[in-house]
Amino acid sequence: NAGVTQTPKFQVLKTGQSMTLQCAQDMNHEYMSWYRQDPGMGLRLIHYSVGAGITDQGEVPNGYNVSRSTTEDFPLRLLSAAPSQTSVYFCASSRVSLSGEQYFGPGTRLTVT
Amino acid sequence: AQKVTQAQTEISVVEKEDVTLDCVYETRDTTYYLFWYKQPPSGELVFLIRRNSFDEQNEISGRYSWNFQKSTSSFNFTITASQVVDSAVYFCALSGGGNKLTFGTGTQLKVEL
Repeated sequence: NAGVTQTPKFQVLKTGQSMTLQCAQDMNHEYMSWYRQDPGMGLRLIHYSVGAGITDQGEVPNGYNVSRSTTEDFPLRLLSAAPSQTSVYFCASSRVSLSGEQYFGPGTRLTVT
Repeated sequence: AQKVTQAQTEISVVEKEDVTLDCVYETRDTTYYLFWYKQPPSGELVFLIRRNSFDEQNEISGRYSWNFQKSTSSFNFTITASQVVDSAVYFCALSGGGNKLTFGTGTQLKVEL
């Protein structure tokens, strides 16, 4: 099993550009989520999904969109990138909701100039 | 609202010393789960332990041990006989009701020879 995979690993965007961060898992987990990690702030939940077709907002959802058309994939879209979105983004999946062990992807380091 | 506080931003120890990482949490939920994750310099997030609110038994796994005390809302993590490979950022996290997972800001542990 590959576990949770994320692409790309690094990305540089200009302000106003849009892009999609990809996340996939092969563990048949129903729960998937996106976090951003900023220095001194830990990880903050952006969006999460409890199954295909169901998504909900986390703590910091503004500026991001998600969709969950399949159990395996959970892409994160930045609609119009801003410097404040410079961060490291982690995707995670879990078998038993956010109260279960989270399996994290390797992360995507995004810089918005 | 739930909150996790890791007051120790950075700890430096010499190899073979014991070290305790503190975690204090706040929640109004009666059922909740507490976690510790490790983030080594390579950047990935590694699950260490999950504990539910009804199980206050301390746990030991090799050189790692966890002390959960509901009376003080704490879930502290002790590494015995620390090693250089223990150098990492350690995150405490809390999942209560409402499908939210809240991380602390992390403690950077540096173990030196």
